[in-house]
Amino acid sequence: DIQMTQSPSSLSASVGDRVTITCQASQDISNYLNWYQQKPGRAPKLLIYDAFNVEVGVPSRFSGSGSGTDFTLTISRLQAEDIATYYCQQHDTLPLTFGGGTKVEFK
Amino acid sequence: QVTLKESGPVLVKPTETLTLTCTVSGFSFSNARLGVGWIRQPPGKALEWLAHIFSNDEKSYSTSLQARLTISKDTSKSQVVLTMTNMDPVDTATYYCSHIRTTGRRSAFDTWGQGTMVTVSS
Repeated sequence: DIQMTQSPSSLSASVGDRVTITCQASQDISNYLNWYQQKPGRAPKLLIYDAFNVEVGVPSRFSGSGSGTDFTLTISRLQAEDIATYYCQQHDTLPLTFGGGTKVEFK
Repeated sequence: QVTLKESGPVLVKPTETLTLTCTVSGFSFSNARLGVGWIRQPPGKALEWLAHIFSNDEKSYSTSLQARLTISKDTSKSQVVLTMTNMDPVDTATYYCSHIRTTGRRSAFDTWGQGTMVTVSS
């Protein structure tokens, strides 16, 4: 199985900060990488697909980059509604696997 | 608009079999390559993919759980059913079903149900 490792596991930031979350795959997955946002008590929501494509309706402050084994999710200017846990997920090889999550909190 | 809703027992006993149903609307399994997946999340922990099924009846399962899982679909009822045998307290989790959007070999869970919490306890 492909292991997905996210870092950090949690971070504290202020409104307006630039936030960067990384995800590393245990083997080359090209750009078969999705990002999800999950707010407390809610189902996950697709943010980014295929490493850098922003899902319809997602604010432009969210962006994704990377290929191969190293990927990044960036929030250019953190807003209050962005407080959530973020997960990466590879869809290159079965079984599909998720990262351990990164919890974004207010400083 | 695609919507999904999970249903099933809130509480199951150890060793029992769990049966969860995902009722979908807004798309039909008789159409192209459409799929539904099941993902679970133990309290305070990460997401874990369990299984998925496509309109052509192609099925895939988690490596670690495949011996205990069965996924099926009832096209006439627009439902996907997941059964998990020999339930254990470690299977306590919120279980989500999700629509799988595909483009060639690529896929994404683009619409999720609200989730259903299942507790395993005697």
